[in-house]
Amino acid sequence: RKEVEQDPGPFNVPEGATVAFNCTYSNSASQSFFWYRQDCRKEPKLLMSVYSSGNEDGRFTAQLNRASQYISLLIRDSKLSDSATYLCVVNSPGGYNKLIFGAGTRLAVHP
Amino acid sequence: NAGVMQNPRHLVRRRGQEARLRCSPMKGHSHVYWYRQLPEEGLKFMVYLQKENIIDESGMPKERFSAEFPKEGPSILRIQQVVRGDSAAYFCASSPRGGANEQYFGPGTRLTVT
Repeated sequence: RKEVEQDPGPFNVPEGATVAFNCTYSNSASQSFFWYRQDCRKEPKLLMSVYSSGNEDGRFTAQLNRASQYISLLIRDSKLSDSATYLCVVNSPGGYNKLIFGAGTRLAVHP
Repeated sequence: NAGVMQNPRHLVRRRGQEARLRCSPMKGHSHVYWYRQLPEEGLKFMVYLQKENIIDESGMPKERFSAEFPKEGPSILRIQQVVRGDSAAYFCASSPRGGANEQYFGPGTRLTVT
């Protein structure tokens, strides 16, 4: 079983749509959770950290369910510029410095 | 404030040659992480270094790979006797302090082994 699992997609949505991505992680001892965004052939960029209480940043909302070991990202009012691969990331409990990346979910927003 | 810098951006090596990848962290950052991304896969942790120390190398292949972060100069990831399977994007990230938060990634070095 992969340490972080994501649906690879692609998700093809029209501009203005709401889209949700899910992710599960295997190690219940993980303490830090993130969503990164990666454009084609570019480096990952931190989109947002994910907190137990859930958090929102503009059109983006992240949720964490520790009991189910499940993380979600909701994007409202999708823009063309949101097209990218979204990476679910957790820290490695044994060494807090190490990040464990999912393979990513691809999003394509079309006019 | 310049971001994390990596060079070269693209590197082509023939099988058996050596590859040297360089990473200059953000100003004020003394913690460096190296990750590898194979095609169509997620990033995989390789090694975590502070100045002059390797802190965690649990993701490094046992042979041919080494990393350093000297007191002066960039961090270096060195791959000896490269093989086709080493072809990947190698990303470096830096942090002002240890911890999973606040890791900032460089643009990566794309290594192609022919």
